[in-house]
Amino acid sequence: DTEVTQTPKHLVMGMTNKKSLKCEQHMGHRAMYWYKQKAKKPPELMFVYSYEKLSINESVPSRFSPECPNSSLLNLHLHALQPEDSALYLCASSQNPPETQYFGPGTRLLVL
Amino acid sequence: DAKTTQPNSMESNEEEPVHLPCNHSTISGTDYIHWYRQLPSQGPEYVIHGLTSNVNNRMASLAIAEDRKSSTLILHRATLRDAAVYYCILRRSGGSNYKLTFGKGTLLTVNP
Repeated sequence: DTEVTQTPKHLVMGMTNKKSLKCEQHMGHRAMYWYKQKAKKPPELMFVYSYEKLSINESVPSRFSPECPNSSLLNLHLHALQPEDSALYLCASSQNPPETQYFGPGTRLLVL
Repeated sequence: DAKTTQPNSMESNEEEPVHLPCNHSTISGTDYIHWYRQLPSQGPEYVIHGLTSNVNNRMASLAIAEDRKSSTLILHRATLRDAAVYYCILRRSGGSNYKLTFGKGTLLTVNP
């Protein structure tokens, strides 16, 4: 199984809502990543978890809160987002130490 | 991080070979050259990577210049399914280097 799954596929939320994005992999990977991709732009790294511990935070605003409850799951909790946060949110995983990253299909988020 | 330069777009005809160039004149000795592609409405997908020698796999070939300042991704027979944005990325080797910094990539159009 070389698949990274992400739910939901699409999400519409208001600026006062709280929502969560979920990512799951069963490849035994111990590094997991969140990326943000705006339309017609390349993906940008947000967070990296290594062995369930936050390893990298690319100065992401605190309205985005990542969580790695176990080695297979990665969540991104969203609160008080702005319309400019509308984007495709991609999850990825890799072996640790990292080499190839495997990406999920993404969650397309619209903030109204 | 060392930077890569790719053409914004390229066109190819179906069943013909495609050569996608990438310049990386400031590459360091420990930088691996990775290629990912992103099909429409999907997450990025690993294609191939190499350090110094040319590499082949079932998806593509990677030709690396002797001075390593450039490389070429070769798709031997393009299909419509190969239409995607192709990203050439340098990743420094090392156990704790998780970062994959995407540039703008090359949008490949495949004509039937």
